[in-house]
Amino acid sequence: DMKVTQMPRYLIKRMGENVLLECGQDMSHETMYWYRQDPGLGLQLIYISYDVDSNSEGDIPKGYRVSRKKREHFSLILDSAKTNQTSVYFCASSYQNSGNTLYFGEGSRLIVV
Amino acid sequence: GDSVTQTEGLVTLTEGLPVMLNCTYQSTYSPFLFWYVQHLNEAPKLLLKSFTDNKRPEHQGFHATLHKSSSSFHLQKSSAQLSDSALYYCALRMNYNQGKLIFGQGTKLSIKP
Repeated sequence: DMKVTQMPRYLIKRMGENVLLECGQDMSHETMYWYRQDPGLGLQLIYISYDVDSNSEGDIPKGYRVSRKKREHFSLILDSAKTNQTSVYFCASSYQNSGNTLYFGEGSRLIVV
Repeated sequence: GDSVTQTEGLVTLTEGLPVMLNCTYQSTYSPFLFWYVQHLNEAPKLLLKSFTDNKRPEHQGFHATLHKSSSSFHLQKSSAQLSDSALYYCALRMNYNQGKLIFGQGTKLSIKP
């Protein structure tokens, strides 16, 4: 069905709490991504995963970690969330050799108070 | 380093007028450029991408031409529609760095009746 699904869609956490954002795709794409979106900054790459257990830092990895134990599932973890991690997080996936056409999920809005 | 610049944060136009959204880039190697569109409360999705054979990509009335001499990939449409109101991202594929995509800051296009 060519879909990227993110859970949860909305989340409010207190500073210092742990956050788990989950992403699934049904296209058997090798490559998956986590971006955050902030006004005026666009989409910034946090982590990229080339397949199971093959993850690489993006441009802003500090304060985040990821897990990919199955090809169709990619998690973003915030250990001890900070207020400056309030953002909208997008997961995306692509075929390795597709010319990088990314398929995005609908986003997860995280508020850290 | 490689980068993408969208100089306009907000473009407001009247329906029926031509659209041009600017995108310039810096790339170490021969680039692939993309335009993604994000409507309100939706996921970003691919609008069009550059070809290697000098074809001009077109989709939904939008087109863009890769000009290597000026390092630009501006998005154009001859006549704006209300439904074109959205956030538009220009993106650059870094061929030498495992295909990572760099996004620009985004341009919000607002079409008024």
